[in-house]
Amino acid sequence: AQKITQTQPGMFVQEKEAVTLDCTYDTSDQSYGLFWYKQPSSGEMIFLIYQGSYDEQNATEGRYSLNFQKARKSANLVISASQLGDSAMYFCAMREGPGGYQKVTFGTGTKLQVIP
Amino acid sequence: SAVISQKPSRDICQRGTSLTIQCQVDSQVTMMFWYRQQPGQSLTLIATANQGSEATYESGFVIDKFPISRPNLTFSTLTVSNMSPEDSSIYLCSVLRLETRSTQYFGPGTRLTVL
Repeated sequence: AQKITQTQPGMFVQEKEAVTLDCTYDTSDQSYGLFWYKQPSSGEMIFLIYQGSYDEQNATEGRYSLNFQKARKSANLVISASQLGDSAMYFCAMREGPGGYQKVTFGTGTKLQVIP
Repeated sequence: SAVISQKPSRDICQRGTSLTIQCQVDSQVTMMFWYRQQPGQSLTLIATANQGSEATYESGFVIDKFPISRPNLTFSTLTVSNMSPEDSSIYLCSVLRLETRSTQYFGPGTRLTVL
């Protein structure tokens, strides 16, 4: 079974509009973390936002917010007021595992294109 | 955050040769990982680099093909051995500090093309 599922291979959004990128996850761990990364065409992986499984509040970082619904095992990324520079691949990822044996698994990604 | 550098940033290599990629972190980190990203694909974990001991490899990756060293808490190398065109990928070093809000950071990547 897939650990991280991103069902949207590609998305379009109008500049200045908000967009939601979907992510669902599967784990039996009680303690885990969820990440979103942005990968522009240059190839670098840019950390955007993190949500811990015990965090009661949804994480926010500037224009990025993570809509964490634990019971549904979803961790959608919301980008508000989209900008042309937001066009990139976006990856959802999950950290799980005990103590010093943690590792992070990535979804297949969503390609976001912002339209002027 | 952590500042991570990788060398080389890119290389073009001949089939059958080997390439060693270096990863340097600006501060001590608990865990270091190596990922591969094949063209148009997501990231796949190759192995966890363990300080002073053998790396822990994921299914489908073996030490003979991808030997890894980690002599200290801030440095690691990944060697891609006996390369073939199928090894053409971006190879990324990543670090994770085991803290309350563990965040994983990535190096800039090494873009490898095998002819």
